[in-house]
Amino acid sequence: DQQVKQNSPSLSVQEGRISILNCDYTNSMFDYFLWYKKYPAEGPTFLISISSIKDKNEDGRFTVFLNKSAKHLSLHIVPSQPGDSAVYFCAATTSGAGSYQLTFGKGTKLSVIP
Amino acid sequence: DADVTQTPRNRITKTGKRIMLECSQTKGHDRMYWYRQDPGLGLRLIYYSFDVKDINKGEISDGYSVSRQAQAKFSLSLESAIPNQTALYFCATQEPGPGTETQYFGPGTRLLVL
Repeated sequence: DQQVKQNSPSLSVQEGRISILNCDYTNSMFDYFLWYKKYPAEGPTFLISISSIKDKNEDGRFTVFLNKSAKHLSLHIVPSQPGDSAVYFCAATTSGAGSYQLTFGKGTKLSVIP
Repeated sequence: DADVTQTPRNRITKTGKRIMLECSQTKGHDRMYWYRQDPGLGLRLIYYSFDVKDINKGEISDGYSVSRQAQAKFSLSLESAIPNQTALYFCATQEPGPGTETQYFGPGTRLLVL
């Protein structure tokens, strides 16, 4: 039973255009969401996060949108650059002092074409 | 120097052998985690530790054991390796407390069990 779903295994985007990566979740207890980026032969690196008290968080070219009613979040990358080509994982957790486990989606491989 | 290091980076072993994967961190974080990544399955939690005296099983702990030798060191052992334990293994660290949901990952160990 997958609680965090990334339904697109791969995505190709032209350099300079917008990349939109989607993530859906089923557990209504999740209230904190993170995006990680992973290059081959490296560990995942934290990219951006959002708390459920917000519906948008922006950091440079990266923006995450959260739609709680739809249990859906998306990562927008504008403009996309070839160096953004990587696998992107969506993760969710229940925040607070007792939180520990990140539940990950299966990842979306983004290819930015020069 | 990397904050979270893993050794070895690559390992080939035979079915039935006992092996140990090691993780060290200089971030001073109390919480440490072991994940495995399989193609198309995202990251799944094997074990986690909140401090030296606290060890907990994750989603897929069968066939694995761990040791928290110090705050900075967390080792994962495969007591008797089997081919379906072939995977990428990641160690991660996290600060305790609210507002610290982000986990920081090591570079990974690629394990092949023949």
